[in-house]
Amino acid sequence: AQSVAQPEDQVNVAEGNPLTVKCTYSVSGNPYLFWYVQYPNRGLQFLLKYITGDNLVKGSYGFEAEFNKSQTSFHLKKPSALVSDSALYFCAVRDMEDTGRRALTFGSGTRLQVQP
Amino acid sequence: GAGVSQSPSNKVTEKGKDVELRCDPISGHTALYWYRQSLGQGLEFLIYFQGNSAPDKSGLPSDRFSAERTGGSVSTLTIQRTQQEDSAVYLCASSLGGTSGFWETQYFGPGTRLLVL
Repeated sequence: AQSVAQPEDQVNVAEGNPLTVKCTYSVSGNPYLFWYVQYPNRGLQFLLKYITGDNLVKGSYGFEAEFNKSQTSFHLKKPSALVSDSALYFCAVRDMEDTGRRALTFGSGTRLQVQP
Repeated sequence: GAGVSQSPSNKVTEKGKDVELRCDPISGHTALYWYRQSLGQGLEFLIYFQGNSAPDKSGLPSDRFSAERTGGSVSTLTIQRTQQEDSAVYLCASSLGGTSGFWETQYFGPGTRLLVL
């Protein structure tokens, strides 16, 4: 079975400060990991993904995420937050060993609020 | 280019009625997914189609839910005898499909917001 935990329902950060949105995962084998962002009344937009290789993944809009296998984490980060980054962020995982399941398993989401 | 489109964007129905939700995937994408996002919840997988293969229906919550995909493109999710707990946003996603399916990116549509009164 595969699962994702986003321990924070909401993260508040001041504009210009660095931000981190936390994600931990559980899989039987090795993970494929994804981050998506959802703006109000919109679908999910892909930010970045980890497949293999470099543990630091760079994505859209200046976001990056660091894969840490020993801590089973994939935290999303940005060096300097913008008010426009305020949205709902989802972490998702697919277990490389679970060849029968193609769907993603999502976390419950973290609302990021960037204050001016 | 055109992304995933869904219709209607909003649907209000009465308890007990049937509803149909439509998804148009990105052209050339052979894999199609339906997810449900309930208020305050994460995304819940419903069903997955890949080409002409039998769909993965393991996420459908009850036999009131069904989906089909005609001609390997457009998909329709049908909910029969709707209940209030069916109220949610129904999201469709598509991806290229094929042998790289396990790590390929899914692209989501804007969703259909369903309200069952």
